[in-house]
Amino acid sequence: AQKVTQAQTEISVVEKEDVTLDCVYETRDTTYYLFWYKQPPSGELVFLIRRNSFDEQNEISGRYSWNFQKSTSSFNFTITASQVVDSAVYFCALSGHTGTASKLTFGTGTRLQVTL
Amino acid sequence: DSGVTQTPKHLITATGQRVTLRCSPRSGDLSVYWYQQSLDQGLQFLIQYYNGEERAKGNILERFSAQQFPDLHSELNLSSLELGDSALYFCASSGGANEQFFGPGTRLTVL
Repeated sequence: AQKVTQAQTEISVVEKEDVTLDCVYETRDTTYYLFWYKQPPSGELVFLIRRNSFDEQNEISGRYSWNFQKSTSSFNFTITASQVVDSAVYFCALSGHTGTASKLTFGTGTRLQVTL
Repeated sequence: DSGVTQTPKHLITATGQRVTLRCSPRSGDLSVYWYQQSLDQGLQFLIQYYNGEERAKGNILERFSAQQFPDLHSELNLSSLELGDSALYFCASSGGANEQFFGPGTRLTVL
């Protein structure tokens, strides 16, 4: 069975601070995908990134960066110079490769509060 | 805007009633997924359809059913509603790249 653990329930930071959201996953699949989604107060789920299990290169997109480490089964998300607009709940998710395995298994989410 | 639409945005109904939630996937996406987000269960996968056929089932109650029509839109039917069915119901669609794009959700309140 697949499992995603986000141990940080809530994080509060002051604007311009860097913050890292942790994600640890469990799967028996050799091919799998990892995702991060953002859920702002308005409620929608916004896709941020997909990473496949064969690509361990870190990725940077503006103020966002992701660190994928297969050895520790972790896929952490860092926001540099956080802004108030980053306040949201962030979900890490895992899926298998194809077909029936492509459903997303979500973590419980980390609520990020960025204050002035 | 993800390109996935869901109606209605909000739904308030009474216990024992039946409701239908509707989802239109992104243009060209053949897969539709339904998820339920509740305070106690978090985000949970309910069911997946691919080009009109049921592909995978998660923790979907027998009182719930879904279908995907030839034009690829999907409907989730919830019957004999209970207070515990109050939740945010999301639809997501996917093309071939395993990325799932979510609709804005339908907030169901059962009174």
